[in-house]
Amino acid sequence: GAVVSQHPSRVICKSGTSVKIECRSLDFQATTMFWYRQFPKQSLMLMATSNEGSKATYEQGVEKDKFLINHASLTLSTLTVTSAHPEDSSFYICRARRDNSEQYFGPGTRLTVT
Amino acid sequence: GDSVTQMEGPVTLSEEAFLTINCTYTATGYPSLFWYVQYPGEGLQLLLKATKADDKGSNKGFEATYRKETTSFHLEKGSVQVSDSAVYFCALGNQGGKLIFGQGTELSVKP
Repeated sequence: GAVVSQHPSRVICKSGTSVKIECRSLDFQATTMFWYRQFPKQSLMLMATSNEGSKATYEQGVEKDKFLINHASLTLSTLTVTSAHPEDSSFYICRARRDNSEQYFGPGTRLTVT
Repeated sequence: GDSVTQMEGPVTLSEEAFLTINCTYTATGYPSLFWYVQYPGEGLQLLLKATKADDKGSNKGFEATYRKETTSFHLEKGSVQVSDSAVYFCALGNQGGKLIFGQGTELSVKP
């Protein structure tokens, strides 16, 4: 089956620094990628939708200047958390969608901001 | 807007007990419905799905039927195992390709 990878799987950073998370579709071209965040024992919250080569569409309440999303190719999307703070600590998950509407989740990235 | 509501957890059952996790939805149009499972420390895995009314999704002994008249997609399993302990998420997929998740239901199965 199709595989979506995320890198890194875990990252710890200091408050004020920026962190980049990569999401790759390994054996298919993802026309659309979605980014979610999940707080402990809570549901997934959709942050933004990105289509290759165009600007991401952010959900209401998500700061686009803080969570920078780049979808530079059909196999790679990146989420950069800028000037991270402890409240940004969360589990970030990407989802990649093929043309035929099949969709696959990445394994997630655990971000801890100290 | 579209939304999904699941029964609150945690749900604690003994091994071989019958499981039902309720899920209802609100949506415009004709969404697809999904159940995802998240085992401790792991990412989400698709458990089953249904794309139209009266469809039944099934996998690993779990079943759910897309009921348009009651806007529901309840998850059932006849006999749970300890290895089924996880968090279960009901979700709907709308025409825009977005997945809207319920709040998740934690299941704990005791031997």
